[in-house]
Amino acid sequence: AQSVTQLGSHVSVSEGALVLLRCNYSSSVPPYLFWYVQYPNQGLQLLLKYTSAATLVKGINGFEAEFKKSETSFHLTKPSAHMSDAAEYFCAVSPRGSARQLTFGSGTQLTVLP
Amino acid sequence: DTGVSQDPRHKITKRGQNVTFRCDPISEHNRLYWYRQTLGQGPEFLTYFQNEAQLEKSRLLSDRFSAERPKGSFSTLEIQRTEQGDSAMYLCASSFKRGGLGDTGELFFGEGSRLTVL
Repeated sequence: AQSVTQLGSHVSVSEGALVLLRCNYSSSVPPYLFWYVQYPNQGLQLLLKYTSAATLVKGINGFEAEFKKSETSFHLTKPSAHMSDAAEYFCAVSPRGSARQLTFGSGTQLTVLP
Repeated sequence: DTGVSQDPRHKITKRGQNVTFRCDPISEHNRLYWYRQTLGQGPEFLTYFQNEAQLEKSRLLSDRFSAERPKGSFSTLEIQRTEQGDSAMYLCASSFKRGGLGDTGELFFGEGSRLTVL
């Protein structure tokens, strides 16, 4: 069994401030972990993924995430928020080698204030 | 590579009517997935195909739902006798799995088909 918990359904930051979106996972086997972004009325776009290589993963648009096994966390960060980062972000987990069992969190809506 | 495309993007129907959604995956992808997303929630898995075979269905997929992928390319998702609770965004995604190897777990999503049942 696997699950993902995203802490905070809404996060607001000022433009230029640090973005931190929290994700904790539960998995009975070593997981693959993902962050997806969804802009209004659009599908999901992959930001980054952890598949057991480096624990610090860099993605698109300046985002990165760190896999911490001891904390069962995969938090998403960006040093400086931009207005275009406003979107909904989903953390997801799957057992290694099994995209068909991808489980999503409930999402975090990021608002960037001018 | 034009990405995953879905049609129609929006559908408004009356309760009890049938609706059909179409998904065209990325051409070289052999796996195709359907997800449902309701407001304020993450996508929930409905079903997936490897080539033309439907390999797994979620318990969310009631008897009123049927999905096909007849030639291993595009797929259709039909909902019969729609109910207001079916109102949601239906997302299609695709991926490529090499034989004998696990996949990367990365899905490529279409923009979704939004269903509103009145």
